Amino acid sequence: LAKTTQPISMDSYEGQEVNITCSHNNIATNDYITWYQQFPSQGPRFIIQGYKTKVTNEVASLFIPADRKSSTLSLPRVSLSDTAVYYCLVGGFTGTASKLTFGTGTRLQVTL
Amino acid sequence: DTGVSQDPRHKITKRGQNVTFRCDPISEHNRLYWYRQTLGQGPEFLTYFQNEAQLEKSRLLSDRFSAERPKGSFSTLEIQRTEQGDSAMYLCASSLGRDRETFGEGSWLTVV
Repeated sequence: LAKTTQPISMDSYEGQEVNITCSHNNIATNDYITWYQQFPSQGPRFIIQGYKTKVTNEVASLFIPADRKSSTLSLPRVSLSDTAVYYCLVGGFTGTASKLTFGTGTRLQVTL
Repeated sequence: DTGVSQDPRHKITKRGQNVTFRCDPISEHNRLYWYRQTLGQGPEFLTYFQNEAQLEKSRLLSDRFSAERPKGSFSTLEIQRTEQGDSAMYLCASSLGRDRETFGEGSWLTVV
C-alpha cells in the first residue's frame, strides 16, 4: 500500500477553515484516498473518500489534483469538537481486503 | 444498525495471563478486521475474516494471538501469556464486501 506523509500537528482557532495536506507519491492507479477522524479512546471514523478532483459531503471536502500524488482535506469553520487526529490513507476497497494502513496522522487542536 | 460493539472496553491483567476480546460486527457485514493501536500511533492491521474464514494475518500476530469468527458472526481475539508489550487498544472493524470499514470503540488492554 502507498505510504502517506502528513503534518504531525496543526493548530487552528474556532471558526476557521482548516486544510490538511497529505502526500502519497506512490499512489497506484486503483487506489482511493480516504480520510478518517479519531477522537481519544475511540475508534477511527470515516470522513470522506475520493479518487480524483473534488469530493464534498456534509462535513468536509477533499481536493485531489490531477496527478493524485497529494490530497487536501478541508474542514470548513472548525469547532472545538473537531479536535482530533486525522488520518490519510490510500489503497483499499478494490482488492480482496481493505487492510487499512494508517500512518501517525495529523493532530488537529482547535482553540477559542 | 447498532454499530460495531466490542467487549470489554477495558481490561487490566497480570503478565502471563490470557485475555479474550469479543467483537460483534454490524449484522449484515461479512468482513471483520482486527487492528492494534498503541499510544501515539495509528492502528495496525492484525487479521481479517470474510464470513468465518480467516483470510489474512499480519506478522504482528504472533503465535500467542488467535482470532476466530465462528459462524461468520461475532469474533474473538485471544492473547495467551500476555506481555507488557501487548498493552494497547484492540480495534475491531467490519464492512460489507468492499465497502468502507466501520470501527468499534476499541478494547483497551493494560498488562501489569
